[in-house]
Amino acid sequence: QVQLVESGGGVVQPGRSLRLSCAASGFTFSNFAMHWVRQAPGKGLEWVAVTSYDGSNKYYADSVKGRFTISRDNSKNTLYLQMNSLRVDDTAVYYCARGSIPFAAGNFDYWGQGSLVTVSS
Amino acid sequence: QSALTQPASVSGSPGQSITISCTGTSSDVGDSEYVSWYQQHPGKAPKLMIYDVNYRPSGVSNRFSGSKSGNTASLTISGLQAEDEADYYCSSYTRSSINWVFGGGTKLTVL
Repeated sequence: QVQLVESGGGVVQPGRSLRLSCAASGFTFSNFAMHWVRQAPGKGLEWVAVTSYDGSNKYYADSVKGRFTISRDNSKNTLYLQMNSLRVDDTAVYYCARGSIPFAAGNFDYWGQGSLVTVSS
Repeated sequence: QSALTQPASVSGSPGQSITISCTGTSSDVGDSEYVSWYQQHPGKAPKLMIYDVNYRPSGVSNRFSGSKSGNTASLTISGLQAEDEADYYCSSYTRSSINWVFGGGTKLTVL
């Protein structure tokens, strides 16, 4: 069965960096696009970034462009999100989600349980 | 990118049907085959309920159905059950800017 397990969350000061990881299993990781989606406390869902199946295409929400970097290691079945210059409004649960097709399109068909990132001084 | 518009809350009694609307623009919902719906119980991850406007993933009850007309998508839940009480989010892919937008979420209460 498809499993996505996020890690790397925690409390960080504004302006600092953090890297999230998402370990995938139960499917051929290299055949699917992968996303990060976040949810601020008590708020709705916000799409953050996507990488195509081979990492050749990456797209970002305007709110994180230039600060966050999505990447993947298909040999390790792992997705990453490098978050730099963190702001208080980046505080959220970060979910990794599998894309329904290999390319930067489609839907989010499986989700991890999420990793909480708290940005606070 | 503006969020899609959903009602903040809907309610219904067990056995009844409810419909949740999701209104976007001609650049997202109106132009996308990738409109989807997600169910989220408190403290849990979202779960895909409808994809590509009106398809159900394996394992999702046929009480859930989706449709789209113009810039508005809809999720209908028939034969409401207590376990359907949750937050529901719509989402649309935007091909012109290659991003995804979500609705603000609708809290479904089963009376």
